[in-house]
Amino acid sequence: AQTVTQSQPEMSVQEAETVTLSCTYDTSESNYYLFWYKQPPSRQMILVIRQEAYKQQNATENRFSVNFQKAAKSFSLKISDSQLGDTAMYFCAFMIYGNQFYFGTGTSLTVIP
Amino acid sequence: DGGITQSPKYLFRKEGQNVTLSCEQNLNHDAMYWYRQDPGQGLRLIYYSQIVNDFQKGDIAEGYSVSREKKESFPLTVTSAQKNPTAFYLCASSMKEGARAGAFFGQGTRLTVV
Repeated sequence: AQTVTQSQPEMSVQEAETVTLSCTYDTSESNYYLFWYKQPPSRQMILVIRQEAYKQQNATENRFSVNFQKAAKSFSLKISDSQLGDTAMYFCAFMIYGNQFYFGTGTSLTVIP
Repeated sequence: DGGITQSPKYLFRKEGQNVTLSCEQNLNHDAMYWYRQDPGQGLRLIYYSQIVNDFQKGDIAEGYSVSREKKESFPLTVTSAQKNPTAFYLCASSMKEGARAGAFFGQGTRLTVV
């Protein structure tokens, strides 16, 4: 069975500080893709960053970066220089090629001015 | 502009009624998905379809039905058999050959039983 676990239901961070959201997953597959999605109060799901499991280099997108530890099946998201617009639910997800997406239960992040 | 359109944004259903949620995409994506979102439970998969005229049940398919007669369209029917349908429903699509791009989501439909 494929599972995604986000153990932090809620987090907060001061504006301009750095925060890390945790995600672990379980799969017996060796080739898959990992994603972080953001869901702001509008409820529109927005892709933040993605990582291909066969790539060892951690993905980065501006202020967002990941720490991908394949052996540990860990995929954390780091947000640097947090901004008020980063306040949202964040979902970790992975997909096995040709299969469905599996989502975690989400982490609610609040950026405090 | 390419994207996914869900309609309506808000939907009210009376007890015992079937209702259909619309999902249309013009991204030329092969795969389409329906998710249900409840507070504290993340996104749970209802149905997904990789190609036209074929679909698979997800984790919570009971009380729901879908069709995939056209590549662009993947409507979801919430039947009277679904005992607790009040939730936020999200439709998504992805490229079959390019899963690395991730799933693209519609803006969602909020269904309320009245």
